[in-house]
Amino acid sequence: SAVISQKPSRDICQRGTSLTIQCQVDSQVTMMFWYRQQPGQSLTLIATANQGSEATYESGFVIDKFPISRPNLTFSTLTVSNMSPEDSSIYLCSVARRTAGNTEAFFGQGTRLTVV
Amino acid sequence: GDSVTQMEGPVTLSEEAFLTINCTYTATGYPSLFWYVQYPGEGLQLLLKATKADDKGSNKGFEATYRKETTSFHLEKGSVQVSDSAVYFCALSGTNAGKSTFGDGTTLTVKP
Repeated sequence: SAVISQKPSRDICQRGTSLTIQCQVDSQVTMMFWYRQQPGQSLTLIATANQGSEATYESGFVIDKFPISRPNLTFSTLTVSNMSPEDSSIYLCSVARRTAGNTEAFFGQGTRLTVV
Repeated sequence: GDSVTQMEGPVTLSEEAFLTINCTYTATGYPSLFWYVQYPGEGLQLLLKATKADDKGSNKGFEATYRKETTSFHLEKGSVQVSDSAVYFCALSGTNAGKSTFGDGTTLTVKP
């Protein structure tokens, strides 16, 4: 398994400000993933964070709005920039690990963001 | 690309009723399949998983069997409780560089 620590667990932010979410994994992983869950919705992949290179963003998400850092193989940050109430969501960090020939995903507990 | 289709909700049951939430998937290769649960106001929790065909995942009275021939992973519980009220997500991973694909979620409400 993988232990993922995410912080903050929740925050209330003013519109126009930025929030950086941290994700720490208990062991080295090649790729880390950031997801968003808007209220009442399912999870949507924002981007894949690779160590040593720029993150790969999914359609509808851009680096200027969601800059990502990946300084080493156990840590990543996601910043939600210039926030608006529409950014109120749960943001989750995830890693994938191969075990016995299969790949399993592990998730942090999420960061519940409310923008006012 | 990969996709997961879940039974539409919401689902409302009486306590001790039988639960089935249908889940089918489309994927290349051989994904791992998961059910996650999200209780009101809480984060995502892994409920159960199956990593290969015919595997049965089980936890807290819930079961799901990986059916490759029907590309399904239906969630079942023989007798639901009020405390099972939550949103349930079916998901797969393992075919696209570790990315997970989620269904839309099914809201279950169990009434006493």
